[in-house]
Parts: sequence; structure tokens; C-alpha cells
Amino acid sequence: KAGVTQTPRYLIKTRGQQVTLSCSPISGHRSVSWYQQTPGQGLQFLFEYFSETQRNKGNFPGRFSGRQFSNSRSEMNVSTLELGDSALYLCASSLDTGPGGGAFFGQGTRLTVV
Amino acid sequence: EDQVTQSPEALRLQEGESSSLNCSYTVSGLRGLFWYRQDPGKGPEFLFTLYSAGEEKEKERLKATLTKKESFLHITAPKPEDSATYLCAVPATSGTYKYIFGTGTRLKVLA
Repeated sequence: KAGVTQTPRYLIKTRGQQVTLSCSPISGHRSVSWYQQTPGQGLQFLFEYFSETQRNKGNFPGRFSGRQFSNSRSEMNVSTLELGDSALYLCASSLDTGPGGGAFFGQGTRLTVV
Repeated sequence: EDQVTQSPEALRLQEGESSSLNCSYTVSGLRGLFWYRQDPGKGPEFLFTLYSAGEEKEKERLKATLTKKESFLHITAPKPEDSATYLCAVPATSGTYKYIFGTGTRLKVLA
């Protein structure tokens, strides 16, 4: 069974640009969550989607947005990039049985803003 | 407020020197506690799920235990390949798939 797939693995962008990251969850999983990981802050929750609906959003500015498609694939977008957005962005998919089933992560997208 | 705290932040062990990592949590209605291993530049790899106090899970040199307020990850006779950051997480109480993560313990096992 294929795991969570994130593309691209690495990105270098310039301040002010925007970026789109993609995540394909484990087959059959309808829940996708996004996290930002930085050395100082650890894993910070961005947002989660279930069946194309955003169910929860973390404490991030509106420059961070996302969506989920009917095949459960998800994208997140960051507009007007800032240097502080440099981080590892992780996508996780979860079983439909509920959060007690755990979250399974992709390898992440390393975003560097210069 | 849901909270997860891990200690120590970093741990250096000699190969074969057993130790324990701690994860304390504050959450209403625990719906599972999860342990992950993360290697540099990679996503967290799922290790264990614990659901109730007294439960234990084992995998090779790792054993996870759970009480009503904390969980321990015991590492027995570690090897250099066990070097990684170990994270614990709990589902938030808000009825969503949001997970609250600790900041992790960076483990270094020296040969």
C-alpha cells in the first residue's frame, strides 16, 4: 500500500512569490492535515480537510490556504512568501475511523525562501 | 488547553546504554497517544499507538508505556541506528483530526 506522497520534495522561492505544495494521502484515507515544522517551533498545525471540507485551521495568517479535491488529494498554497515561511511542510493522512487511528506522514516539502 | 511536553530535549547515550524518554500530556478524554521517529529532513515515521493506562507496546529495542498523565519510550541496549528525534502526539479534544505534538527528544547513540 503506497504511503503519503508529497511533491515537490524541495523548493526555493523568493520573497513575495507564492508557492503550491501537493499531497496525495494513503489510498482510502479522506482526512488530510498539514503541519509546518521549524527547528524552534516543532510541528505546528496548519489545517485539516475531510471530504473536501476544511474542518479546522491553525493559528496562521491568511496567506496560508489549502484545498482538497474529490480524490482526497490536497494542496496548500502560501502567497506573498516571507523569509520566516522557510520550513519543512508535512502532510498527514488519517483513517476515517477517527483521530485515534493515528496520522501517517509524507516525507515533506522543504521550502526555502530567499 | 491541550498540551504535550517531552523531556529531555536531547539525550546522548553510549551504544548499549538503556534509557527512557518522557512524554507528559494534558488533554480531556485521551483518544490515543502516538509515538513517532523522525530522521533529519524526513517526515515522522509512525511507531506506536497507546490507548489506555497500563498499555504497553514493543518493537525491537523500543517499548512504549502509558499512564494517565504521561508516556515513556524505553530504549533498551540502543544502537547508533536508533539515533533520531522521537516525537509524541495526542489528538486534540476538539473532535477533529488535529494532533498536538511535543517538541521531541533528539537522541544520539554513540558507537
